Amino acid sequence: QQPVQSPQAVILREGEDAVINCSSSKALYSVHWYRQKHGEAPVFLMILLKGGEQKGHEKISASFNEKKQQSSLYLTASQLSYSGTYFCGTGGSNYKLTFGKGTLLTVNP
Amino acid sequence: DADVTQTPRNRITKTGKRIMLECSQTKGHDRMYWYRQDPGLGLRLIYYSFDVKDINKGEISDGYSVSRQAQAKFSLSLESAIPNQTALYFCATSERTFTGELFFGEGSRLTVL
Repeated sequence: QQPVQSPQAVILREGEDAVINCSSSKALYSVHWYRQKHGEAPVFLMILLKGGEQKGHEKISASFNEKKQQSSLYLTASQLSYSGTYFCGTGGSNYKLTFGKGTLLTVNP
Repeated sequence: DADVTQTPRNRITKTGKRIMLECSQTKGHDRMYWYRQDPGLGLRLIYYSFDVKDINKGEISDGYSVSRQAQAKFSLSLESAIPNQTALYFCATSERTFTGELFFGEGSRLTVL
């Protein structure tokens, strides 16, 4: 079952902040975040593991609430290069990722 | 050269034809995946393989088959293509570790008329 992402789309001005949420109806072992620019392949941003370990991008942060089965991606002081579609992927212990439908982020000058 | 290479990048075919999409990787990863992307639906898992002898169905495997010819090669076949299989297909790989970062190929755009 796909995780639910919100919002579906967001428009920012350069320098503004944004939060993208991801929630699942099942227990999670890991949450992954990817960004896809138009016409390109998704690119890894961050992974959050059960137990608190994180690995990923220097300028983007995220949280993982294991009890609520939710994760949030925090984009601060957004840059034009942050534009794209953001996907969360949720994983169980067998490492099969299920992706959400995506959040389209547009950053304008 | 890309670490994960997909061929063909674009293909137009007719209903009922057999189509094969190929994926090869130079990252040395054991795990390989095929995803399908449709506008507004995100990425959906078709098949995945944890090694040459281990192949598993994903969420939407009906109408597709796969072959893992070697550690570096994973092919997706549509035995008899139909129009609703028109989509962008991505191959991905990951290490055999719990971190599991996915590395995607550039995608294969398939149009079935």
